[in-house]
Amino acid sequence: GENVEQHPSTLSVQEGDSAVIKCTYSDSASNYFPWYKQELGKGPQLIIDIRSNVGEKKDQRIAVTLNKTAKHFSLHITETQPEDSAVYFCAWGGNTGTASKLTFGTGTRLQVTL
Amino acid sequence: ETGVTQSPTHLIKTRGQQVTLRCSSQSGHNTVSWYQQALGQGPQFIFQYYREEENGRGNFPPRFSGLQFPNYSSELNVNALELDDSALYLCASSLSQGGYGYTFGSGTRLTVV
Repeated sequence: GENVEQHPSTLSVQEGDSAVIKCTYSDSASNYFPWYKQELGKGPQLIIDIRSNVGEKKDQRIAVTLNKTAKHFSLHITETQPEDSAVYFCAWGGNTGTASKLTFGTGTRLQVTL
Repeated sequence: ETGVTQSPTHLIKTRGQQVTLRCSSQSGHNTVSWYQQALGQGPQFIFQYYREEENGRGNFPPRFSGLQFPNYSSELNVNALELDDSALYLCASSLSQGGYGYTFGSGTRLTVV
């Protein structure tokens, strides 16, 4: 199947703490794992992505780790700020023939409190 | 560099009607993908267009159809609207077919009554 399990569904942290969101995928052919942030009334915005030949990638306060053996990948946000509050989606993609699609997780609503 | 623009932003239609949603891709992007996002859910892939041809389709019935124009803009058409078609419809453009580096528009909120 083409499922992405995403946990937790909601996450509340205090400003300055870290937040971790985890996803599990099912298709071993996946080779691309992006994370999107979606604010109210807006479309998803790509915040970081990783390819299957890399185990970890970091961009300032955001990092993504990938464990292909276990089919897990995680988003790590350090030193959280109120503007990090949003819904976060993991996704996976893999070329299937001539076209590729992204399969999205169910989303995590992150709330950063003061 | 302009982003992805979608129109209209909101739309209310009656069950059984037809609707056309429009998308202008980001400058330089030649591939457009459409997604349906139900309330509280992640986006679901409808189809992708590349070089004016449908280039991959998700689990959606034939009453969902689309077009891509020479300037890479695109339309999503839905016939015989059903209540369950109520959702946010997202357009994403990219430089390639691989799903890499999508830029999403803000979507069209469709309500079917």
